[in-house]
Amino acid sequence: DIQMTQSPSSLSASVGDRVTITCRASQTIYKYLNWYQHKPGTAPKLLIYSASLLHYWVPSRFSGSGSGTDFTLTINSLQSEDFATYYCQQSYSTPNTFGQGTKLEIK
Amino acid sequence: EVRLVESGGGLVQPGGSLRLSCGVSGFTVTVNYIHWVRQAPGKGLEWISVVYSGGSTSYADSVKGRFTISGDASKNTVNLQMNSLTTDDTAVYYCARDGGLYGSGKGALDIWGQGTMVTVSS
Repeated sequence: DIQMTQSPSSLSASVGDRVTITCRASQTIYKYLNWYQHKPGTAPKLLIYSASLLHYWVPSRFSGSGSGTDFTLTINSLQSEDFATYYCQQSYSTPNTFGQGTKLEIK
Repeated sequence: EVRLVESGGGLVQPGGSLRLSCGVSGFTVTVNYIHWVRQAPGKGLEWISVVYSGGSTSYADSVKGRFTISGDASKNTVNLQMNSLTTDDTAVYYCARDGGLYGSGKGALDIWGQGTMVTVSS
């Protein structure tokens, strides 16, 4: 199975900050990497697919990059609605494993 | 409207069984891939299973041999039969659509249900 390692596991930031979350796969997954945003009591939402493509609802302050084994999610100019937990997920092969999550909190 | 709605969750004793259903509207389950993902209390998301169009399936090791996923064309639902449940199976269970047919990339889960809670406890 492919292991996905996210860092950091938690992050404190202020509105207006730029934050970066990284995700590393235990073997190459090419660009089969997805990012999700999850808020308590709601369903996760697809944020980015194929490593860098924004889902239709996602504002341009979000961006994704990477290929192979190393990936990055960047949020520019944090807004209050961005505070949530973010997960990466590989969809190269089953089981389609998730990273352990990064909880983004308000400083 | 494209929508997924989970049902069937509840309280079950260790060793027991439960059948979850994912009701789908707005698209046909048998020509799509539908996944199940769970989140245990205080934990992260865990992918557990997928059923592909044509009926082939895949499972996480943690549920293989105990859970069975299947599509029901007559009801346009996807079911998750869960047997030999343990306390480790306590979680919110989500079904989600694979967005690969809709331009979101293979395996990207673009539409999710609201989840159903399964509690395994004596």
